[in-house]
Amino acid sequence: AQSVTQPDIHITVSEGASLELRCNYSYGATPYLFWYVQSPGQGLQLLLKYFSGDTLVQGIKGFEAEFKRSQSSFNLRKPSVHWSDAAEYFCAVGPANTNAGKSTFGDGTTLTVKP
Amino acid sequence: EAQVTQNPRYLITVTGKKLTVTCSQNMNHEYMSWYRQDPGLGLRQIYYSMNVEVTDKGDVPEGYKVSRKEKRNFPLILESPSPNQTSLYFCASSLLPGGTYEQYFGPGTRLTVT
Repeated sequence: AQSVTQPDIHITVSEGASLELRCNYSYGATPYLFWYVQSPGQGLQLLLKYFSGDTLVQGIKGFEAEFKRSQSSFNLRKPSVHWSDAAEYFCAVGPANTNAGKSTFGDGTTLTVKP
Repeated sequence: EAQVTQNPRYLITVTGKKLTVTCSQNMNHEYMSWYRQDPGLGLRQIYYSMNVEVTDKGDVPEGYKVSRKEKRNFPLILESPSPNQTSLYFCASSLLPGGTYEQYFGPGTRLTVT
């Protein structure tokens, strides 16, 4: 069965500091990987996705993520955090088989940004 | 505007009173899905639909029903709600079945069952 682990429940960083949110997945084949962001009181919005090819993917709002097959990881990074980045972040894995419909999300990481 | 809409946004009900949460998308997406979000548990998939008349169970389907009679609509039905179904519910849609495309989420429905 596929699974996603986000080891950090809550992270606090200072504005302007760099950020890395961790995501580890378990899946039998190369998965489709996503990072979503949820601002307070809002639905989820896609930040970036990985399907194949270049293992470093760029997303919106200055975020990037790196797929590392050997570590089963897909960590999200941002070089300089802004106060508006405070939100909850979810890593998700979708099935590689396009005939299957299950999606699995991690438990989320809440980001607090200190002024 | 491309969007997923859910109604109602907030609902307080009593145990055992049947309710329906509607979900509609205007993007002609094949795939639709329901999730519930609970603190510390992330999003858990309830049901999904690969296309009209095709639905399947996610990870937490107990106590829920769905139907997909039209491509754009995917209502979530709670025949006999219980307090453990108090949660924040999200509907999502995606261009193609499976996980190969990103999902677009509705704004959420906060349900309280007393």
